[in-house]
Amino acid sequence: GQSLEQPSEVTAVEGAIVQINCTYQTSGFYGLSWYQQHDGGAPTFLSYNALDGLEETGRFSSFLSRSDSYGYLLLQELQMKDSASYFCAVKHQGGKLIFGQGTELSVKP
Amino acid sequence: DVKVTQSSRYLVKRTGEKVFLECVQDMDHENMFWYRQDPGLGLRLIYFSYDVKMKEKGDIPEGYSVSREKKERFSLILESASTNQTSMYLCASSPPAQGGSEQYFGPGTRLTVT
Repeated sequence: GQSLEQPSEVTAVEGAIVQINCTYQTSGFYGLSWYQQHDGGAPTFLSYNALDGLEETGRFSSFLSRSDSYGYLLLQELQMKDSASYFCAVKHQGGKLIFGQGTELSVKP
Repeated sequence: DVKVTQSSRYLVKRTGEKVFLECVQDMDHENMFWYRQDPGLGLRLIYFSYDVKMKEKGDIPEGYSVSREKKERFSLILESASTNQTSMYLCASSPPAQGGSEQYFGPGTRLTVT
């Protein structure tokens, strides 16, 4: 079967660093994507890791370890506007994405 | 900017009705996808398409069909709507270079079946 696991909720304070983990179990793994979704909004693409290592884009970084079937999204210098749901998604053979259940991040002042 | 539009933000239909959800993208993307999103379940893939007149079943295709007559338009059809199809429906597109890893989503259609 195929499954992804990520925490359902994370809370952090403004200015802090938070890490959202994602573990997956799937055949035909091609890479790991991350999406952000604000309440009532559409998911927006954040990052994609096909190879092991860290990818940095501004305040956000994403990490992948294929041998551990594990990845994470790192958010630095948290801002109130970062409060949203974050989804990891495995890119499967055939090009489709399989999404995790999402992590709701609450940033407190 | 890529723009993906969906025909309605909110829709209320009765059980047994045939329902059409339309999605249009303006970036000439080959790949298009239909998902439903339910609380605690994330996004689940219903159908996707790599080209005009092509379609592939996703993880939960039962009760749905799709149509892609033009490259920019991908329609989701509920042949006979049921209450368990009450959900948020999201359409997405991606260029072939991204292979589906970077998808652009529409605003969603919240469908209620009564």
